[in-house]
Amino acid sequence: GAVVSQHPSRVICKSGTSVKIECRSLDFQATTMFWYRQFPKKSLMLMATSNEGSKATYEQGVEKDKFLINHASLTLSTLTVTSAHPEDSSFYICSADRGAGELFFGEGSRLTVL
Amino acid sequence: GDSVTQMEGPVTLSEEAFLTINCTYTATGYPSLFWYVQYPGEGLQLLLKATKADDKGSNKGFEATYRKETTSFHLEKGSVQVSDSAVYFCALSEGAAGNKLTFGGGTRVLVKP
Repeated sequence: GAVVSQHPSRVICKSGTSVKIECRSLDFQATTMFWYRQFPKKSLMLMATSNEGSKATYEQGVEKDKFLINHASLTLSTLTVTSAHPEDSSFYICSADRGAGELFFGEGSRLTVL
Repeated sequence: GDSVTQMEGPVTLSEEAFLTINCTYTATGYPSLFWYVQYPGEGLQLLLKATKADDKGSNKGFEATYRKETTSFHLEKGSVQVSDSAVYFCALSEGAAGNKLTFGGGTRVLVKP
C-alpha cells in the first residue's frame, strides 16, 4: 500500500528555537497534503492544507507565521514550528492525497518544547 | 460547521466480545463518512467508509452503516481479537475534493485475552 513517512518521529527542543517536520509520500505523488495537530486524548485538528507549488491554506485560528508550511515538490511537505514554546508541544500528523480523496497518513511527530 | 462526536473510551473488552463504537455527526450537506484506525506506533489507516445514505462500509469484520435519519455511523464488530486493540476515529468529509476530514475525538479500544 501507499506509504507516507514523517521525520522526525520525536523531537525535543528548547523554547525559542524552530523545528522542521518533514512529510514524504514514498511511492506516489501528492499535490495536496494536510497537517493536523493532535492534543492528548483529543481529536486531530486540521491546521492547514498544503498545496504543491502554492501557498498553504490555513484553518481559522492557526497562525501562519508560526506554523510555516512548504510544499516544494510532489512528494514532500514540511511544517516548521517557529520560535517554539511549551504550548506548541503536541503530536503533529500529516496526510497525503493520492488522488480522488484517497488519503494516507504519516506516523506522526511528537514535539516537546522545554 | 461540521462536527463529529464519538463515544469516549477507553473501551475494554474480552476477546470474542461484541464491539460497538457510537458516532454521530453534524454536517451542512451530504458528507462521506469514514472510520480510521490507529494501531500503536503507526499512522492512521482507513478502516472503512460510506459515501451515501444507507451505504454499509465493511472491512476486517468491522461494519458501519450510514444512517442519515439519525446522522450516525456506528462501528460494530461481532467478535473482537487482541489485535483489534487500537484507537478508532470517526470522520467525515464534504466538498468536491472529499479530502478535508473532520475527526471525532477517537475511542481507545483494549481487547484482553
